Amino acid sequence: AQTVTQSQPEMSVQEAETVTLSCTYDTSESNYYLFWYKQPPSRQMILVIRQEAYKQQNATENRFSVNFQKAAKSFSLKISDSQLGDTAMYFCAFMKQQGAGNMLTFGGGTRLMVKP
Amino acid sequence: GAGVSQSPSNKVTEKGKDVELRCDPISGHTALYWYRQSLGQGLEFLIYFQGNSAPDKSGLPSDRFSAERTGGSVSTLTIQRTQQEDSAVYLCASSLAWGPNSPLHFGNGTRLTVT
Repeated sequence: AQTVTQSQPEMSVQEAETVTLSCTYDTSESNYYLFWYKQPPSRQMILVIRQEAYKQQNATENRFSVNFQKAAKSFSLKISDSQLGDTAMYFCAFMKQQGAGNMLTFGGGTRLMVKP
Repeated sequence: GAGVSQSPSNKVTEKGKDVELRCDPISGHTALYWYRQSLGQGLEFLIYFQGNSAPDKSGLPSDRFSAERTGGSVSTLTIQRTQQEDSAVYLCASSLAWGPNSPLHFGNGTRLTVT
């Protein structure tokens, strides 16, 4: 079974600054996918960024980028130029490449507050 | 087009009552998932439907929980004899196809409170 751990229950950052959210995972799989989801107060989960484990290059999506360290089983999210709208819960998630459809295993989440 | 729609948005029920939660996936999406999010926690997988295949029920926490998907579209999650520990947000998601290249689209969830 896979486990995903987010060690930071809450974080805060000043608007326009950079913040990094941590995520570690445990798996015996060699091929898999990692995701970061954002959950604003509306409760809807929004995909922020995704990384394929077989790719060495870190994924980037505008102000969002990841630091994927496969050997260390670490997958952190960096948010640059933080905006007030980035305030939300952020969840790291794992998906096996084969089997179990699109079933995601989620971490416990990090609550991020962006302060003006 | 419309996203994943869940109803009701909020539900308060008394302990011991049965509840039904509804999910309308995006039209044409073949896969549908139910997750549970307890207060301050991550999402816990409950059940997964893919096309006409038998559902993956491996995440259902007890036999009080069941789900069905009629006509490959709308899904209903039923909780019988609700308990206070069932209080949570129940999230539904759908995807166009099976596999990691087909992203999940989530609804806004149903917040269930058992008093």
